[in-house]
Amino acid sequence: GAGVSQSPSNKVTEKGKDVELRCDPISGHTALYWYRQSLGQGLEFLIYFQGNSAPDKSGLPSDRFSAERTGGSVSTLTIQRTQQEDSAVYLCASSYTSTGPNQPQHFGDGTRLSIL
Amino acid sequence: AQSVSQHNHHVILSEAASLELGCNYSYGGTVNLFWYVQYPGQHLQLLLKYFSGDPLVKGIKGFEAEFIKSKFSFNLRKPSVQWSDTAEYFCAVKGGSYIPTFGRGTSLIVHP
Repeated sequence: GAGVSQSPSNKVTEKGKDVELRCDPISGHTALYWYRQSLGQGLEFLIYFQGNSAPDKSGLPSDRFSAERTGGSVSTLTIQRTQQEDSAVYLCASSYTSTGPNQPQHFGDGTRLSIL
Repeated sequence: AQSVSQHNHHVILSEAASLELGCNYSYGGTVNLFWYVQYPGQHLQLLLKYFSGDPLVKGIKGFEAEFIKSKFSFNLRKPSVQWSDTAEYFCAVKGGSYIPTFGRGTSLIVHP
């Protein structure tokens, strides 16, 4: 497709379970970003990838959160032992490169995660 | 570190009213500035951006924003809003970091 694709679009799970969120960026985009959007809050940066490496993991809230990217394309964000405060919309964005100063980000529709 | 402040969290207007959404940033060096919009049920999309040149930037759907360096501001404006402009608006700044920092967003509701 032409845009950033995220799956699943909705995920409901029980507290304590692990979840895996997927992001398929726009073809050719080397930079990939994960954000979290909670009700009434802005976009909270989680992690970004340039190619397969993650130069900045500073936004990950705890060691229960991890992410990887393979082949410079698809990325997965994994949350282990989910807690209710993890409930949010998880957004993925990609851009052609991260180093260009004026590169806009293209966002996916997000995954709405609900922890019961 | 860079930061962004959006002063208005909720704005309610009638159609044809003029709009100005405030955005102030904190960063001492050269910046790139963005406004994104999220219409109900849709993904975030770029409205306009500034990186150099003319500080008055025109975007899609009649929106414009003015970069005022002395005030560290990048306010979004539209002379006459429409019901279809109802959405969430986010200001973002990209300074020395490769990571854009987003404001908390402004929810705009336009009554027909």
